[in-house]
Amino acid sequence: DGGITQSPKYLFRKEGQNVTLSCEQNLNHDAMYWYRQDPGQGLRLIYYSQIVNDFQKGDIAEGYSVSREKKESFPLTVTSAQKNPTAFYLCASSNLPGQGATEAFFGQGTRLTVV
Amino acid sequence: KQEVTQIPAALSVPEGENLVLNCSFTDSAIYNLQWFRQDPGKGLTSLLLIQSSQREQTSGRLNASLDKSSGRSTLYIAASQPGDSATYLCAVRPKETSGSRLTFGEGTQLTVNP
Repeated sequence: DGGITQSPKYLFRKEGQNVTLSCEQNLNHDAMYWYRQDPGQGLRLIYYSQIVNDFQKGDIAEGYSVSREKKESFPLTVTSAQKNPTAFYLCASSNLPGQGATEAFFGQGTRLTVV
Repeated sequence: KQEVTQIPAALSVPEGENLVLNCSFTDSAIYNLQWFRQDPGKGLTSLLLIQSSQREQTSGRLNASLDKSSGRSTLYIAASQPGDSATYLCAVRPKETSGSRLTFGEGTQLTVNP
């Protein structure tokens, strides 16, 4: 089945710890995205990548880091510098304009809780 | 900076009613607009994608329209069912060269009562 897989579904982080959220897609999409969703709020863009080995900061990149070593994978690391990391994290992918249909598809999300 | 607004924030209707959800955006230079559905604790499911050159798209009981010049889109749901209860989000993709950023509204939480 084609799609986007996020893991784990639930993640608990201790104070001062770095954690990494996984996102894998088999849709052959060039663009991948990480969003954060807080209760009752819309999605806010953390980072996005249009091509392997390149990525751009979104609106709330502080305290987060990403890598794009493979087209299929776009892991997100929540560092200890992120002071309020408890949230629902969503990964998405799409083609870019001029490369086919640009419909965006999302994974099922990872709920991160600080304990 | 593109801003997307969805009104109302919440809507409760009886089963069988036809309803309209609204999405407005401030910058009309968009590549396309996409409507999503989100169930509690889940990811987003794509419903409809409208290209900037299109006026509407239909899928089953759903019809989305786009008026780019006025910065508005509507999602029409016919004969609503309890299973339609979810949060509906719209997102716009810019017409700039990269066209890769998606900007989301905060969503409309829909409840369809049996």
